[in-house]
Amino acid sequence: QSVLTQPPSASGTPGQRVTISCSGSSSSVGSNPVNWYQQLPGTAPKLLIYNNNQRPSGVPDRFSGSKSGTSASLAISGLQSEDEADYYCASWDDTLSGPGFGGGTKLTVL
Amino acid sequence: QVQLVESGGGVVQPGRSLRLSCAASGFTFSRYGMHWVRQAPGKGLEWVALISYDGSYKYYGDSVRGRFSISRDNSKNTLYLQMSSLRTEDTAVYYCASWDGHNDGYYDQWGQGTLVTVSS
Repeated sequence: QSVLTQPPSASGTPGQRVTISCSGSSSSVGSNPVNWYQQLPGTAPKLLIYNNNQRPSGVPDRFSGSKSGTSASLAISGLQSEDEADYYCASWDDTLSGPGFGGGTKLTVL
Repeated sequence: QVQLVESGGGVVQPGRSLRLSCAASGFTFSRYGMHWVRQAPGKGLEWVALISYDGSYKYYGDSVRGRFSISRDNSKNTLYLQMSSLRTEDTAVYYCASWDGHNDGYYDQWGQGTLVTVSS
């Protein structure tokens, strides 16, 4: 049982825009910023979005994040084949005294 | 460049112990909180434990509290995870990751992971 809730899968065709949702609670997403991580097959996760909507250097502006209340979302525009990966949202949880993760969303580029 | 390199994984029997290490380089290790995060085969990410930059406070996930212990040696730029009373459900790739910030923070760097298999 993950702390945050994500859809298990998402898909799109090249060039499309897809969004992935992330739902939490008042003690997690409702009180703390949301971060997103991308995990390519067989590799470690990599920071994609931090503080709800900030991109680290090197992350294309095709990736964007937003948050409202106890929910957040990741949007990927101009979908490319190399975007096929697992995406995880995460947020500090005041009840856990640690970060909680979503269960992950597997993105397939058709 | 920033590097986190885990070691110490392997196959261990249920009920036994194992110690993981994470060697850090390329950044000021003593200024960062550090975490262990694990990923069971085919599953998602699960936070395991965290330690503050100076080791003064530590927190654990519910599934490992009382069995695992996190520590660090800032003179050696190394993070540790002592795992005891291991269970089959502890089988996972264990990642160390540096945490930038407090409850507003995020994982800015990850190691490549080390696989722990608990099996008789």
